[in-house]
Amino acid sequence: NAGVMQNPRHLVRRRGQEARLRCSPMKGHSHVYWYRQLPEEGLKFMVYLQKENIIDESGMPKERFSAEFPKEGPSILRIQQVVRGDSAAYFCASSPLGSGTTQYFGPGTRLTVL
Amino acid sequence: EDKVVQSPLSLVVHEGDTVTLNCSYEVTNFRSLLWYKQEKKAPTFLFMLTSSGIEKKSGRLSSILDKKELFSILNITATQTGDSAVYLCAVARGSSNTGKLIFGQGTTLQVKP
Repeated sequence: NAGVMQNPRHLVRRRGQEARLRCSPMKGHSHVYWYRQLPEEGLKFMVYLQKENIIDESGMPKERFSAEFPKEGPSILRIQQVVRGDSAAYFCASSPLGSGTTQYFGPGTRLTVL
Repeated sequence: EDKVVQSPLSLVVHEGDTVTLNCSYEVTNFRSLLWYKQEKKAPTFLFMLTSSGIEKKSGRLSSILDKKELFSILNITATQTGDSAVYLCAVARGSSNTGKLIFGQGTTLQVKP
């Protein structure tokens, strides 16, 4: 049973470009979570999605960031007009059920903004 | 504001030593506490604790939760170099409309041969 898959593993963008990060949850999991880990900091929650629904986006920056989890295909975290401060590791997690259940993490996407 | 604090922030031991990592929390509507091990990749799940006083054990690792004093400890006995990693503590809230895990800053463990 494959774990949570994320791609790309490393992404380099110049300021002002768009970054698209993809996450495929574990088989049988319909709940997806995105976290950001800035250098020397802990993991910070960004957004929680189920298929075609955003359940909790309380950790998402108000501008430039969006997330989706379509009926078919992976979840996408999209960052428009990236800035240097967006450089971080972005982790996706999935769970079979919702709140309070164990979340299993993917390997992360390391975004570097030049 | 919800808060999870881990201590120590870093620790250096020698193989064979026993270590205790601490996690204290102040979170409204607590549901569960989770421990993860993070090497240079995905945080891997270790334990989930929901009830006080019940020890969870897996090999040389064990963990226990105290919901009255609002903390958990993670013990590693007979440490090995492969235990070197960042150990993350996270708390889940009981609200049904959020899946948010609140993480501590992590404890970096280095085990020397």
